Amino acid sequence: DAGITQSPRYKITETGRQVTLMCHQTWSHSYMFWYRQDLGHGLRLIYYSAAADITDKGEVPDGYVVSRSKTENFPLTLESATRSQTSVYFCASTGTGQSPLHFGNGTRLTVT
Amino acid sequence: DQQVKQNSPSLSVQEGRISILNCDYTNSMFDYFLWYKKYPAEGPTFLISISSIKDKNEDGRFTVFLNKSAKHLSLHIVPSQPGDSAVYFCAASEGGAQKLVFGQGTRLTINP
Repeated sequence: DAGITQSPRYKITETGRQVTLMCHQTWSHSYMFWYRQDLGHGLRLIYYSAAADITDKGEVPDGYVVSRSKTENFPLTLESATRSQTSVYFCASTGTGQSPLHFGNGTRLTVT
Repeated sequence: DQQVKQNSPSLSVQEGRISILNCDYTNSMFDYFLWYKKYPAEGPTFLISISSIKDKNEDGRFTVFLNKSAKHLSLHIVPSQPGDSAVYFCAASEGGAQKLVFGQGTRLTINP
């Protein structure tokens, strides 16, 4: 099915562990984004990518790493998870121009 | 520094009445504004948008108003229906839909 898929839906990890959140879209959209949602903050941009092999920082990039070797995939890695990274993470994509972002259903990450 | 603010965390409206959700922004360079709707355990879904060259955009029961001088936008839903109960996020960007900046969200509850 066409769309944007995030995996896993839920993840519990320990402080200091590395964890990767996956995002896959089937529209061949150029732009992909990672947001985190926290109470009182809404959604904040972590990283985004304008095309394969082009990535850039958003508002809250510290502690995160991204890559985009293929247009359809945009994984987000927490190199050494901290409790402050407990959040719901949303991946989104869009084509060029003023097309609205399409969001995945999110990954709820808990760091213990 | 929150560039997009939704000052009402929650709003309760009777079914059939008008719901008005408000949003303020501080960045005068924002030229594209969107509203997203979010149900629990799902990603945000696009609802309606408006460009800064307009002051009103309508789509069925949903109307977005933009007051550039006041840096304020609002979403009107009329008539409100139980299925409209969700969290609504206001978002803004410069030069297109990429790199959206979101507000904190307003939880709308429609009472029968």
